[in-house]
Amino acid sequence: AQTVTQSQPEMSVQEAETVTLSCTYDTSESDYYLFWYKQPPSRQMILVIRQEAYKQQNATENRFSVNFQKAAKSFSLKISDSQLGDAAMYFCAYRSRDDKIIFGKGTRLHILP
Amino acid sequence: GAVVSQHPSRVICKSGTSVKIECRSLDFQATTMFWYRQFPKQSLMLMATSNEGSKATYEQGVEKDKFLINHASLTLSTLTVTSAHPEDSSFYICSATPLGGTSGARGYEQYFGPGTRLTVT
Repeated sequence: AQTVTQSQPEMSVQEAETVTLSCTYDTSESDYYLFWYKQPPSRQMILVIRQEAYKQQNATENRFSVNFQKAAKSFSLKISDSQLGDAAMYFCAYRSRDDKIIFGKGTRLHILP
Repeated sequence: GAVVSQHPSRVICKSGTSVKIECRSLDFQATTMFWYRQFPKQSLMLMATSNEGSKATYEQGVEKDKFLINHASLTLSTLTVTSAHPEDSSFYICSATPLGGTSGARGYEQYFGPGTRLTVT
């Protein structure tokens, strides 16, 4: 069975600074997708960034980028120029071939003004 | 963008009664919908996979007789919590995968509903 581990329950970063959220996963599959989702207080799940396992190039979406290390099964999220609106719960997620998504426990990110 | 709605957004019911939660894909057809449960300050836990026209597949530990799922059309899945008890109080979220699955241009995207807060008194 696949597992997703986020070892940082909470993190804080100064506004405009850079922060990295860690995630590791375990799987025996070779074809899968990885995601970072943001859940603000409204609790609506918002897709931040996705990574296809077969792509070696790290995904980037504006201020958000990932460091995908397939062999190490590591998938960290870097947020540059942190903004107050980035404060939320961030979930690392694994999607297998059967479309099921498995979420990590989440990291609560605080942005300090 | 693709939108998934849930109704109601919040519901309060008395212990022993049943409550139905609807999940609709508004601008796309969804062959598969998923139901999650999220307790306060915890992660989303997959409860079941709902496929149009067939029986839902439940995750281990989820009571299929308590959480009835019906996927009657390509745009609607319903979750009915039967004989609800206070321990069923939670935040329920659905998600939907567009028709075409992982082979479609948007196939790898799963779209989430805004969630339904259930409180059982």
